[in-house]
Amino acid sequence: SYVLTQPPSVSVAPGQTATITCGGNNIGDKRVHWYQQRPGQAPVLVLSGDNDRPSRIPVRFSGSNPGNTATLKIVRVELGDEADYYCQVWESSGDHVVFGGGTKLTVL
Amino acid sequence: QITLKESGPTLVRPTQTLTLTCTLSGISLSTSGVGVGWIRQPPGKALEWLALIYWDETTRYRPSLRNRLTIGQDTSKNQVVLNMTNMDPVDSGTYSCAHYNGDVFHVWGLGTTVTVS
Repeated sequence: SYVLTQPPSVSVAPGQTATITCGGNNIGDKRVHWYQQRPGQAPVLVLSGDNDRPSRIPVRFSGSNPGNTATLKIVRVELGDEADYYCQVWESSGDHVVFGGGTKLTVL
Repeated sequence: QITLKESGPTLVRPTQTLTLTCTLSGISLSTSGVGVGWIRQPPGKALEWLALIYWDETTRYRPSLRNRLTIGQDTSKNQVVLNMTNMDPVDSGTYSCAHYNGDVFHVWGLGTTVTVS
């Protein structure tokens, strides 16, 4: 089955740039979506289709998806960005949804 | 504004069947392209997709749980129901439903906590 691999944790200081990766075989051929889950809250879509932001999501959030690794980048990180981030794709060969294992972003 | 709300038992005994209901507002299950998915999250662990149902009643299931899951919809009530048989303590966690369209979960419910004990 298709596997999405994320680093368990990423730490960054306020104002710096956080980069969260999502690896998968030929993931560049798929649409990757990213969700933010703050502690005790429901997940929120922050990027869809590799780099489309819902209107309520700040422009500080961006994404890319070349090759075998998709990336979520958050510039000028704020304390409020501290959360778990999950990538997700649709696996067409098996007709099912796949989530990555999640990355805990800590803002130091 | 689209909202989803999960409801169901908070406590289930081992081997019992769990039945959860997702009630949608702001969007009709009958609308072409609309889907609803169920996702669960064990305490302190990652999101785990369970099942999907589309407006045309097409369904998809997590392969490893396919034989335990049934998803269905009641368009008159704008609700989606998930049944999960033979519950085990490892199935404890938060169960959420989400609006699915274009292979993306656009809006999530707050989730409901289920304990198997």
